[in-house]
Amino acid sequence: DTGVSQNPRHKITKRGQNVTFRCDPISEHNRLYWYRQTLGQGPEFLTYFQNEAQLEKSRLLSDRFSAERPKGSFSTLEIQRTEQGDSAMYLCASSSKTGYEQYFGPGTRLTVT
Amino acid sequence: GESVGLHLPTLSVQEGDNSIINCAYSNSASDYFIWYKQESGKGPQFIIDIRSNMDKRQGQRVTVLLNKTVKHLSLQIAATQPGDSAVYFCAEMPYTGTASKLTFGTGTRLQVTL
Repeated sequence: DTGVSQNPRHKITKRGQNVTFRCDPISEHNRLYWYRQTLGQGPEFLTYFQNEAQLEKSRLLSDRFSAERPKGSFSTLEIQRTEQGDSAMYLCASSSKTGYEQYFGPGTRLTVT
Repeated sequence: GESVGLHLPTLSVQEGDNSIINCAYSNSASDYFIWYKQESGKGPQFIIDIRSNMDKRQGQRVTVLLNKTVKHLSLQIAATQPGDSAVYFCAEMPYTGTASKLTFGTGTRLQVTL
């Protein structure tokens, strides 16, 4: 499978715990995006990388959220001290620098209890 | 799997009929538009895109129309099939010279009845 992959697919955690999600983009894509989606809404942009550089962060990305892409390949999104309001689907997408098409992974569904 | 868009506007269409899904966008500086299909428990799947210098683009069974004057986008699906049942989102991207973030609109749930 050469599409975008995300792990884990589902994560249930207790409030206050830290969680980390991983995204593996399409191999030749140098841009990687994170979005968050709650039920009944479209995905909302969180942040994106070109290679290892984080180019933009949304105001939605509080200081409890951190994203990295250390080698310009896979990326991780960490949420510290999770809150119930963090419950959502976290989606990763990738694209080439000049290509506008963003290809999405299956998402990680986070439930904070 | 979980449901996507529990309280979204719903369009019910009979199998074989044509479907038209509409979207209003807000940013007049947006240069690029995409339609995505999202099935329950899955990530959005690219359907078709259009640049702002075009007003129509056709794919296989799908057509996207862009009206920049009223900032309106539509997706037409010909001969709708049961497999087309999903939530459909339009998304826009401003022109910055390179690819950047997408802003998604409110989705529409398409239900195909037999």
